Amino acid sequence: KAGVTQTPRYLIKTRGQQVTLSCSPISGHRSVSWYQQTPGQGLQFLFEYFSETQRNKGNFPGRFSGRQFSNSRSEMNVSTLELGDSALYLCASSPATSVPGELFFGEGSRLTVL
Amino acid sequence: GDSVTQMEGPVTLSEEACLTINCTYTATGYPSLFWYVQYPGEGLQLLLKATKADDKGSNKGFEATYRKETTSFHLEKGSVQVSDSAVYFCALSPTLAGGTSYGKLTFGQGTILTVHP
Repeated sequence: KAGVTQTPRYLIKTRGQQVTLSCSPISGHRSVSWYQQTPGQGLQFLFEYFSETQRNKGNFPGRFSGRQFSNSRSEMNVSTLELGDSALYLCASSPATSVPGELFFGEGSRLTVL
Repeated sequence: GDSVTQMEGPVTLSEEACLTINCTYTATGYPSLFWYVQYPGEGLQLLLKATKADDKGSNKGFEATYRKETTSFHLEKGSVQVSDSAVYFCALSPTLAGGTSYGKLTFGQGTILTVHP
């Protein structure tokens, strides 16, 4: 079974631009979550989607948004990029029938903002 | 709010040494507890989990026991290998009012483990 796939793996943007990251969960997984990983703040929860609905949201500004499609694939968008948005963005999926918190992570999309 | 505090690193050990990485948490209700591991250049992988007090999670020689009285979930291994070199994250899945969240985890800061031959 294929794992969680994130695209693109690496990208470079400049301040003020926007970026869209994509995540394909494991087949059959209905819950998709996004995390930001930085050396200073560690791993921080961005949001979770389940059946195309946002279920939970972390403490991030409105510039960070996401959505989930009917096939469970998810995208996250960051608008008006700031230098501090440079990070590894991790997507994780769950079948939503297992233990809450038991997640399968992708390898991440590394965003550099110049 | 919920929080996880884990032992500051980095931790450097020789092969076959004993490992303990401390983890304590603050949470309301009855969270589930996890250890995730991140090998160089890879995403996070679930290492082990425990869903209620006194549960012991184990995998690949690693163990951790859910201690509600001390709000701890320390990771232990009796004999580490070079291949165990990675970053280890303690995490909790909260009890949420209004429904179950499958994807929301609160992570500790991570502990870098390096094992030398």
